[in-house]
Amino acid sequence: DTGVSQNPRHKITKRGQNVTFRCDPISEHNRLYWYRQTLGQGPEFLTYFQNEAQLEKSRLLSDRFSAERPKGSFSTLEIQRTEQGDSAMYLCASSIGLGGPEKLFFGSGTQLSVL
Amino acid sequence: GIQVEQSPPDLILQEGANSTLRCNFSDSVNNLQWFHQNPWGQLINLFYIPSGTKQNGRLSATTVATERYSLLYISSSQTTDSGVYFCAVFSGAGSYQLTFGKGTKLSVIP
Repeated sequence: DTGVSQNPRHKITKRGQNVTFRCDPISEHNRLYWYRQTLGQGPEFLTYFQNEAQLEKSRLLSDRFSAERPKGSFSTLEIQRTEQGDSAMYLCASSIGLGGPEKLFFGSGTQLSVL
Repeated sequence: GIQVEQSPPDLILQEGANSTLRCNFSDSVNNLQWFHQNPWGQLINLFYIPSGTKQNGRLSATTVATERYSLLYISSSQTTDSGVYFCAVFSGAGSYQLTFGKGTKLSVIP
């Protein structure tokens, strides 16, 4: 169990550029989640995958955001035409996915700064 | 949607002191989790506790689902306990969206 891994750890970009983040979940975990956290707030749900299927998306997830989990293993989150309001910590989590709601394990996050 | 409220928002403790953090939620839930976010941003899952009481070392948690609250107890606090403590609940009705409170920021001073 190597934990949830996220890359890069930090990303600085200019407004209007596209960025992509990667998440590698714990190896035997079927469920993968993306959250966003701004300063002084709790994490906010963005989207959820069961294996390769994206089953839930938040209304926070505008059409500039897209997430994939092509083979049910790692996932990518892409933000197109970044805006300053996208600056936040992007957190990935995974869980084993054997039944109902269960314990989540989070990665260290990707801190995005949009200049 | 479900509302999660945590109190107090900030807490300063002398090393060795005990504390109780509270989490209230607005609707019936079948899942509650406590997390600790350290000063480097890492979120650590402390407890998965939909009901009852669990203990892990100096930490323990109690959830009373029928009364819609949970408590996190920290005994003999250490400086490494500093950080933000979040409780979070799933919204239910087939949703896997975890809703977080705003957290309690704990500072333990030597």
